[in-house]
Amino acid sequence: GAGVSQSPSNKVTEKGKDVELRCDPISGHTALYWYRQSLGQGLEFLIYFQGNSAPDKSGLPSDRFSAERTGGSVSTLTIQRTQQEDSAVYLCASSWGSEQFFGPGTRLTVL
Amino acid sequence: QKEVEQNSGPLSVPEGAIASLNCTYSDRVSQSFFWYRQYSGKSPELIMSIYSNGDKEDGRFTAQLNKASQYVSLLIRDSQPSDSATYLCAVTPHSNYQLIWGAGTKLIIKP
Repeated sequence: GAGVSQSPSNKVTEKGKDVELRCDPISGHTALYWYRQSLGQGLEFLIYFQGNSAPDKSGLPSDRFSAERTGGSVSTLTIQRTQQEDSAVYLCASSWGSEQFFGPGTRLTVL
Repeated sequence: QKEVEQNSGPLSVPEGAIASLNCTYSDRVSQSFFWYRQYSGKSPELIMSIYSNGDKEDGRFTAQLNKASQYVSLLIRDSQPSDSATYLCAVTPHSNYQLIWGAGTKLIIKP
């Protein structure tokens, strides 16, 4: 079956611009996660959606970051007024239980 | 604060030998334990899940869990150069809960 998909695979933007990253989870998975991974670093948790519950936003680094999940499926991570330190790979994962399955990621470069 | 600790490495192992990767966790109520493999430039891939004390074998991989000592390990038998990657340990207290991630151990298999 289809895995987690993310788009775009690469995004280059200028400092100060807004970007939207998209994640399509595995069908039937109730939980969806966003992570950020800078070069050579570990996974940094950003936000977690579980079913119809309020999302856990505790990992969002600033109010420039927001995410939504429409209809319990597709999610969009939005970064406003991008900064150079936002450059990283943004990973999405989905799960039904505890086992998380990752998408290929979006590599964001802020010039 | 819940923590998962791993030696960052790199851990260098000759081809054909056994690679042993270790992970300790701080939350005694943790119930589910996972090993992910991440190749350079790729997203994490789930390779082993373990939920009860003891060993779980899958091909060349064996996960070992010791809840009393709060550690989980991954053994890779007959190591191959293709096993060279970063291995991430993740732990959760129960199902439908986000994972707590270690920073990963970089494994290098030398031909």
